Amino acid sequence: DVKVTQSSRYLVKRTGEKVFLECVQDMDHENMFWYRQDPGLGLRLIYFSYDVKMKEKGDIPEGYSVSREKKERFSLILESASTNQTSMYLCASSLLRRTGELFFGEGSRLTVL
Amino acid sequence: KNEVEQSPQNLTAQEGEFITINCSYSVGISALHWLQQHPGGGIVSLFMLSSGKKKHGRLIATINIQEKHSSLHITASHPRDSAVYICAVSPTDKLIFGTGTRLQVFP
Repeated sequence: DVKVTQSSRYLVKRTGEKVFLECVQDMDHENMFWYRQDPGLGLRLIYFSYDVKMKEKGDIPEGYSVSREKKERFSLILESASTNQTSMYLCASSLLRRTGELFFGEGSRLTVL
Repeated sequence: KNEVEQSPQNLTAQEGEFITINCSYSVGISALHWLQQHPGGGIVSLFMLSSGKKKHGRLIATINIQEKHSSLHITASHPRDSAVYICAVSPTDKLIFGTGTRLQVFP
């Protein structure tokens, strides 16, 4: 079975803390994505990557950074967590850019106090 | 106005009913995705289509490119179909998502 694995299902952090969310896929996909999901707003793209060491800003990159040192791993970093970053974070990967089937992780629910 | 609109936002049904969820979009696209999200978070891709119709088990997805409209049908609905169904389109390398349709199927 193909798989996208996110490191933590639930996290609770304090304002100002640095937060790492890790995502690993075992399908040799080049394309990886980080989304956040909030009630009434749907999924919004934070960052995406089409290749190792490559990253592109999505629609809401402010307050986030990413790292892709290896093809299978795409990390999302909150340098200084704030309460408005409390959300569900979803990682996804696909083989093709526009027409590739998406494979999602189980999600990481982050609460920032 | 959102570029991807889904209707209805919420839907309840009795087990066995035929269900239709609609998705309209306002941009040119390469493909349209239907996704399913169960309580707890995980999202599963149901269909990806760029023309015509696809069927998988009790699920059928259709798309009309000229009218910029897609439908997801569930035949003989079952309580395990209860989930949020999300439509997403790819006009560029970045997907645009609808806000989802919450379906509850009661026994």
